[in-house]
Parts: sequence; structure tokens; C-alpha cells
Amino acid sequence: DIQMTQSPASLSASLGETVTIECRASEDIYNGLAWYQQKPGKSPQLLIYNANSLHTGVPSRFSGSGSGTQYSLKINSLQSEDVASYFCQQYYDYPWTFGGGTKLELK
Amino acid sequence: EVKLVESGGGLVQPGRSLKLSCAASGFSFNDYWMGWVRQAPGKGLEWIGEINQDSSTINYTPSLKDKFTISRDNAQNTLYLQMSKLGSEDTAIYYCARAQATFDYWGQGVMVTVSS
Repeated sequence: DIQMTQSPASLSASLGETVTIECRASEDIYNGLAWYQQKPGKSPQLLIYNANSLHTGVPSRFSGSGSGTQYSLKINSLQSEDVASYFCQQYYDYPWTFGGGTKLELK
Repeated sequence: EVKLVESGGGLVQPGRSLKLSCAASGFSFNDYWMGWVRQAPGKGLEWIGEINQDSSTINYTPSLKDKFTISRDNAQNTLYLQMSKLGSEDTAIYYCARAQATFDYWGQGVMVTVSS
């Protein structure tokens, strides 16, 4: 199985700040990577697919980048509604696997 | 509007079975792969498996392949998850999702608690 390692596990940031979350795959996943946002008590929502494509309706302050085994999610100008947990997922090879998650809080 | 609504969860004794359902609406159900993902309390997401449009291909995470069975009824726009030999480690929220490798729409989830 491909292991997905996310960092940091938790993060505290101020409103308006830029935040970056990293995801490392145990082998090359050829941009088969998605990012999800999960607000407290809610189901996950797709943010990014194919490493850098924004899902419909997702604000442009979210962006994804990376290649090979290293990927990142960036949130520009952090808003209060961005408080959530974020998960990466690889879909290059079965079984699909998720990162452990990053919990983002406001400072 | 795409809508996925899970049902069938609840409290179940260890070793017993349970079948979850997911009713889909707002899109052409028989055009999409569908999948299940679970989340243990306070933990991360775990992919269970997914099924293609005509049920000819079903993929599972290896550790659950012998316990869980995914099926669908395209006439009823419904996805199913049959779970057997349940243990405490299966206590989680179970989500159905529309699958296109990524999961672009999710249900609200249903809680399954395995306890005596």
C-alpha cells in the first residue's frame, strides 16, 4: 500500500495568514492526489484533485502543488471558515489511502 | 443537487452483521462509481472500497475484503455496504461518496457502534 504522511498534524494560524500543509507519498503517485476539508461535525468536502485542480465552487485562496512524492496545499489569506481538518488522498494505486490529517485552528 | 443519504447504522453486538444503505439523488446514479469511507471517532479517513457502474468491478481495501461487501441497485439508486463479523475496531462513521477516483460528493455519514 502507498503510505501518505501529512505534516504538520496540527497548526495554529492567524486570520489573513498564509498556511501550507504538506503530504508525502511513500512512492511516486504521478499527481494522483486530492485534498479534502472536513469541518467539525461535517462530512469531508473535495477541495483539490489531480494535485493542483480546484474543485467546483472552492474559493481561489486554496491551491495545490507538487509532483512525485511531495505535495502541498496552500491557503492564502486565512478566513475563519477555514478552521477544519484537512486530508490528502492518493488515487494512483489501489488501495486508495489517506494522510493522517492536519487540524487547522485559529491563533 | 447531488444528495447522498446513508441509513442503517446503530448499535450492534460484536460478531454480528449490519447492512448500510445510501440513497442517491440529483445525478445519474448508474453513470458513476460509488464508494464507502469510514472514520473512527477522532481519527482519520479510511477507504473501504468502491464499485463501478454495472457492479462488474468492486475494489476493497485488503484488510476489509473478507468482512465487507459492497453492492448497488441502479433501479433504486441505492448503494449498500454489508458488514459481517463486526468488532469494536469497526466503530466509526460510515460515509458513502460518489467516486471518480476522488470523492466529489459525500453523504452526511451514519454512525455504527459495535459494543455488547
